Amino acid sequence: ETGVTQTPRHLVMGMTNKKSLKCEQHLGHNAMYWYKQSAKKPLELMFVYNFKEQTENNSVPSRFSPECPNSSHLFLHLHTLQPEDSALYLCASSQLRDGSPQQETQYFGPGTRLLVL
Amino acid sequence: RKEVEQDPGPFNVPEGATVAFNCTYSNSASQSFFWYRQDCRKEPKLLMSVYSSGNEDGRFTAQLNRASQYISLLIRDSKLSDSATYLCVVNMMSGGFKTIFGAGTRLFVKA
Repeated sequence: ETGVTQTPRHLVMGMTNKKSLKCEQHLGHNAMYWYKQSAKKPLELMFVYNFKEQTENNSVPSRFSPECPNSSHLFLHLHTLQPEDSALYLCASSQLRDGSPQQETQYFGPGTRLLVL
Repeated sequence: RKEVEQDPGPFNVPEGATVAFNCTYSNSASQSFFWYRQDCRKEPKLLMSVYSSGNEDGRFTAQLNRASQYISLLIRDSKLSDSATYLCVVNMMSGGFKTIFGAGTRLFVKA
């Protein structure tokens, strides 16, 4: 067990729906991440939360909206998605030291497999 | 040019074989390096960090060559359970924090 849980594990939604993905980490980490993994493509970093503050937003469309209410929970709110948004969405966490995320390893949740119809 | 490049494979090897993967990176601001393993339809899991001096963990050896900007992973005495996709990961601070995953190298170990 990685200590990072994600719900739901699978999600099918229409383009007009609103849904939210949830991630919870039980490792006492202080940074959390959202990634997208599409078929036959590398993982793409979407958002980074460092001490609950969003520090990175890698040009992600506004139909994806992250929320980090505390250091253990992370949400990804989805609204009016497109079929090309169908992918595996992975949450990860890490423990920052000296506020430097680049040195730390990340621990991943099992992912939410999303299908947009 | 991709920031992190890996040979996608697949590598098909018999049990007991030694296999090596390379990964090249283009940004000299890259600071830390990792190998992750991802099984089919599962999340990535850390295999090992890669240090400048090289490091070994059982049958796995990782090396970093900063001058040539590549990292390598060597697996000795391959097991069936080693079959997976191996992801090269590079972290850097370049205009903000960036973590770049390679597309992965697929390994199949056959009996």
